Amino acid sequence: QQQVKQSPQSLIVQKGGIPIINCAYENTAFDYFPWYQQFPGKGPALLIAIRPDVSEKKEGRFTISFNKSAKQFSLHIMDSQPGDSATYFCAAKGGGSQGNLIFGKGTKLSVKP
Amino acid sequence: GAGVSQSPRYKVAKRGQDVALRCDPISGHVSLFWYQQALGQGPEFLTYFQNEAQLDKSGLPSDRFFAERPEGSVSTLKIQRTQQEDSAVYLCASSLRWATEAFFGQGTRLTVV
Repeated sequence: QQQVKQSPQSLIVQKGGIPIINCAYENTAFDYFPWYQQFPGKGPALLIAIRPDVSEKKEGRFTISFNKSAKQFSLHIMDSQPGDSATYFCAAKGGGSQGNLIFGKGTKLSVKP
Repeated sequence: GAGVSQSPRYKVAKRGQDVALRCDPISGHVSLFWYQQALGQGPEFLTYFQNEAQLDKSGLPSDRFFAERPEGSVSTLKIQRTQQEDSAVYLCASSLRWATEAFFGQGTRLTVV
């Protein structure tokens, strides 16, 4: 059972466009939702994260929108650049003592010049 | 060091060989996680340490996988009698406490031939 479902699998946008990546989760005990960016041959790096008590969080060109009732959250990248081309993963973490992240399958983003 | 360090970066093992993968977390980080990332997939949780205590090993795929963190800092993931399906990138992450941001290393790419 996949606890975090991510879409689309791949995405191509033109420079300056606004790619949107969506994730849905099942477990209402999740209380922390980060997005990671991964370049080939590198480990995932945290971009931005949100907790379910807010509906939106913005950091630079990256925005998370969170819909608690729908159990969905999304990443928007404003004014996308070729350097943003990478694989993006959403993740969720359970509450309590469960500290591990559960990742989506990833979205490969390509930003064309 | 400044970040999570993993070694070796690449490991080629013959089927049936034992391997040991090392993780040096960020100094002072209490929590340490191991993840397995198959090609084109998101990281999947293997095991979690808080200091030297292994609090969760529910993600270890078989009893051939063993992890330790004897002094609460460096951790080793050992895979006995490697199989082709063990081929993946093994990622280590650390955080100050279980509830805070996790920082990932660059991973060890294991290829079993």
